Amino acid sequence: AQKVTQAQTEISVVEKEDVTLDCVYETRDTTYYLFWYKQPPSGELVFLIRRNSFDEQNEISGRYSWNFQKSTSSFNFTITASQVVDSAVYFCTHMDSNYQLIWGAGTKLIIKP
Amino acid sequence: DAGITQSPRHKVTETGTPVTLRCHQTENHRYMYWYRQDPGHGLRLIHYSYGVKDTDKGEVSDGYSVSRSKTEDFLLTLESATSSQTSVYFCATQGLANEKLFFGSGTQLSVL
Repeated sequence: AQKVTQAQTEISVVEKEDVTLDCVYETRDTTYYLFWYKQPPSGELVFLIRRNSFDEQNEISGRYSWNFQKSTSSFNFTITASQVVDSAVYFCTHMDSNYQLIWGAGTKLIIKP
Repeated sequence: DAGITQSPRHKVTETGTPVTLRCHQTENHRYMYWYRQDPGHGLRLIHYSYGVKDTDKGEVSDGYSVSRSKTEDFLLTLESATSSQTSVYFCATQGLANEKLFFGSGTQLSVL
């Protein structure tokens, strides 16, 4: 069955530390998409990144970077020099070849000043 | 930002009463979704729509029904609310099937 595992339920770091959020997925598809969404304390869900299964190139956007490795079925998210505003719940999702989305349970990230 | 409006934003109701949540979008997106969010479960799909009058069930559809009579509106109805339906409900839209979702601000529903 398709599945997304975010093993870290909660992570707490001190501001300016680097932090990596893990995402491991299970899929039987060769074509699929992976996403990360952020949910800050205000509650809205914000899109961060979309990656298709044929593009294993790592992505960097400012302090955010994503490492996609098909060999380990992982799509990990790293925040460099974390800031208090990064505190949120982060969700990893997998979209299969039928465009069905499977959501991970989320990782709550707490950045302490 | 995508124009997605959920109403009401908060609602408290009693067990056994009908409840309708509304999602309105101004993006002309074809796909619309209703999710519920509960602690420890992430987001779970209730129902979705791939066009006017075209809807289908998600993984937690029992006790819920939906309607989409216009592209811009997607209604979620709890025919007879139960305490287990206390949750935060999110509407989402999507232009193409493999694209990102745009989310509304959510509706906090409490069933007493």
